[in-house]
Amino acid sequence: AQTVTQSQPEMSVQEAETVTLSCTYDTSENNYYLFWYKQPPSRQMILVIRQEAYKQQNATENRFSVNFQKAAKSFSLKISDSQLGDTAMYFCAFRGPDKLIFGTGTRLQVFP
Amino acid sequence: DSGVTQTPKHLITATGQRVTLRCSPRSGDLSVYWYQQSLDQGLQFLIQYYNGEERAKGNILERFSAQQFPDLHSELNLSSLELGDSALYFCASSVGELGGTDTQYFGPGTRLTVL
Repeated sequence: AQTVTQSQPEMSVQEAETVTLSCTYDTSENNYYLFWYKQPPSRQMILVIRQEAYKQQNATENRFSVNFQKAAKSFSLKISDSQLGDTAMYFCAFRGPDKLIFGTGTRLQVFP
Repeated sequence: DSGVTQTPKHLITATGQRVTLRCSPRSGDLSVYWYQQSLDQGLQFLIQYYNGEERAKGNILERFSAQQFPDLHSELNLSSLELGDSALYFCASSVGELGGTDTQYFGPGTRLTVL
């Protein structure tokens, strides 16, 4: 069965600092996609970044980047220059052939 | 704004009742997905429709059903409601059918409260 694990229920970081959120997954598939979604207090699900498993290069979107280690089945999210607006739940998700599977989330609090 | 719309935003009803949640996908998207998010939990996949036909099923209860209409909007019907059905229900849409490179974009959700 495909599973996604986020082992950090909560994290905190000071504004302007860097924080890394961890995610591991389990699959026997070779071609798949990984995503990080952000859910702020408004509860909207917002796509942060996406990674194709066949690409060795790590995805980057402005202050957000990933460290994708396919052999280790690890997909961490690095947020640089953290901002107060980054305060949210962050969900890692695995897209297999037929559905999107979410982890349980990491609650990130950014302090001034 | 993702381009996916959901109505209503909030719904309060009683146990045993039936409700219908509505979703309009982004322009050009053919797939619609429904998810349930209970309090402080991750999202659970319920069901997917592609161009009017059911494509994938997750942990959807028999009391729940969905459909996608010719104009591609979708409705999720929840019947014989129980207290435990209280949750945030998300709709998402994507261009493609299964797998592929398409990304799912989420609507703002419908918060259902069953009293």
